Amino acid sequence: EVQLVQSGAEVKKPGESLTISCKASGYNFASYWIFWVRQLPGKGLEWMGRINPRDSSTNYSPSFQGHVTISADKSITTAYLQWSSLRASDTAIYYCASTRHVPWGQGTVVIVS
Amino acid sequence: DIQMSQSPSSLSASIGDRVIITCQASQDISNFLNWFQQRPGQAPKLLIYDASTLLPGVPSRFSGSGFGTNFTFTINSVQPEDFATYYCQQYDSLIAFGPGTRLEIK
Repeated sequence: EVQLVQSGAEVKKPGESLTISCKASGYNFASYWIFWVRQLPGKGLEWMGRINPRDSSTNYSPSFQGHVTISADKSITTAYLQWSSLRASDTAIYYCASTRHVPWGQGTVVIVS
Repeated sequence: DIQMSQSPSSLSASIGDRVIITCQASQDISNFLNWFQQRPGQAPKLLIYDASTLLPGVPSRFSGSGFGTNFTFTINSVQPEDFATYYCQQYDSLIAFGPGTRLEIK
């Protein structure tokens, strides 16, 4: 089955670090970019950045550059979104998606409080 | 950066109505435009790519058109399951989403 499965919900304190994951299956992971999207409570979709799993090249939205890191391990077809120091304003749902037409990940709820 | 706008931000419709949502890009994006549907509590779902191509399994009452900077998303004969928020997304230069259009029951 073609799918993206994300890691579970997280509750963290401000200043803590966090890495969430997105496991792809059922398609050639290295051939399609993975991108991350933030959705603040009750708000719209914000593109955060993307990674090419083939060579791990990345692009970031200016709004997120320097605050998050996107990485991937093509050997285990998994992408990651990482924070080194969380803020309360990072409380949101985070989705991963592929440029292949596969369903988005189910979302990971991150609460920073 | 390319900016996306949508109109209206919300609208009310009755079952069976025809609904039209517009999306405008701040610069020419050719036909590199997706339309997504997001129901409450769910991840967004891709309905249309390349501005007008329906994904397999998407009902034919959904359609999209446009090229360049102006795009239209239409639902012919709205059904109960269509009440959701709809987003356009450009992928000509990186990625950017429109602010969304909330479709509510009248």
